[in-house]
Amino acid sequence: GQNIDQPTEMTATEGAIVQINCTYQTSGFNGLFWYQQHAGEAPTFLSYNVLDGLEEKGRFSSFLSRSKGYSYLLLKELQMKDSASYLCAALDSNYQLIWGAGTKLIIKP
Amino acid sequence: EADIYQTPRYLVIGTGKKITLECSQTMGHDKMYWYQQDPGMELHLIHYSYGVNSTEKGDLSSESTVSRIRTEHFPLTLESARPSHTSQYLCASSEYTREGVNEQFFGPGTRLTVL
Repeated sequence: GQNIDQPTEMTATEGAIVQINCTYQTSGFNGLFWYQQHAGEAPTFLSYNVLDGLEEKGRFSSFLSRSKGYSYLLLKELQMKDSASYLCAALDSNYQLIWGAGTKLIIKP
Repeated sequence: EADIYQTPRYLVIGTGKKITLECSQTMGHDKMYWYQQDPGMELHLIHYSYGVNSTEKGDLSSESTVSRIRTEHFPLTLESARPSHTSQYLCASSEYTREGVNEQFFGPGTRLTVL
């Protein structure tokens, strides 16, 4: 079967760095997305990786290892507004997104 | 900012009623999707469309239908609502690019409660 695994919840301190991990198993692979979802709102796109390595975009970076079926999202200089759920989603061979349940990130002052 | 709209935002109805959830996008995107999401859970794909007159079922069995008569419009209809349909429904769209992949843009969602 196809599945995405990511931690249910993480807590971090304002100003710190946090890494959210994601492992995936899909039939075929055409890339990995990270989305941010604030409570009660729709997901918004953060990043897309299809090649191995690190993609940096401001305070957020995303890493992919295709051979390990692994990705992480790195958030630096955490702000209170970063409190949200972070969804990992892998694109399978049919170009359908397989979604994880999301990691709820709690930022403390 | 994404131009994708959903109405109504909130809906409370009784069991057995027929309802239609509206979704429109002004970006000219070919692909559109309907997802169901319960609090703290993953998104489940209900239906999707590659373009006008194209509709496909997703991985979640659902007593719902969709239509795609116009590029910008992708309504979801529940013929007979049940309490198990209580959930948040998210509409999304994306476009084909030369690379074949692009991110999905989401509407604000419809929170449905069936009594």
